[in-house]
Amino acid sequence: TQLLEQSPQFLSIQEGENLTVYCNSSSVFSSLQWYRQEPGEGPVLLVTVVTGGEVKKLKRLTFQFGDARKDSSLHITAAQPGDTGLYLCAGDPQGGSEKLVFGKGTKLTVNP
Amino acid sequence: SQTIHQWPATLVQPVGSPLSLECTVEGTSNPNLYWYRQAAGRGLQLLFYSVGIGQISSEVPQNLSASRPQDRQFILSSKKLLLSDSGFYLCAWSRTSGDEQFFGPGTRLTVL
Repeated sequence: TQLLEQSPQFLSIQEGENLTVYCNSSSVFSSLQWYRQEPGEGPVLLVTVVTGGEVKKLKRLTFQFGDARKDSSLHITAAQPGDTGLYLCAGDPQGGSEKLVFGKGTKLTVNP
Repeated sequence: SQTIHQWPATLVQPVGSPLSLECTVEGTSNPNLYWYRQAAGRGLQLLFYSVGIGQISSEVPQNLSASRPQDRQFILSSKKLLLSDSGFYLCAWSRTSGDEQFFGPGTRLTVL
């Protein structure tokens, strides 16, 4: 059974700080996605990474897929209160699957 | 463009009453459809998924059932609700298995 472990589970920081959250597994994934969910809403896709070592940037957010395609990280520069939310990673297991494997998420709070 | 609808947005039901939550997708054909439950703003628990009309896969034994009577309609049901059925229910669709998922706005169910 493929698992995605996210860390930390909770993170509370001040506006302007930098942070990194992690998504780790012992399994290989064909692709990995990051979602952000705000309270009372559905998750929204931020990015998909598919190539080992790939780095994608979305404004102040930088996503990296590990070389072996077993892990990923999300780095936020100069966090803002609008970045507050639950960050979920999800992977498409190598070999094919009808469903994604989701991590349990990192709950980020950015205080003004 | 594609959109996904869920209703109702919130629901309060007594223990032992029936349940019907509906999800519809517009702007795409033959999507994969998913029902998730989320507790306390944490990870997503996959309940059911469907790769075609009338095809339902159940992930966990439970008090709930799902049906897909039309290509872009996915229904979550229960004959008799339990207190433990309370939670935030999310419907999602994807173009193919393992692809990015697009989530609906969710239904907050409270069973009293």
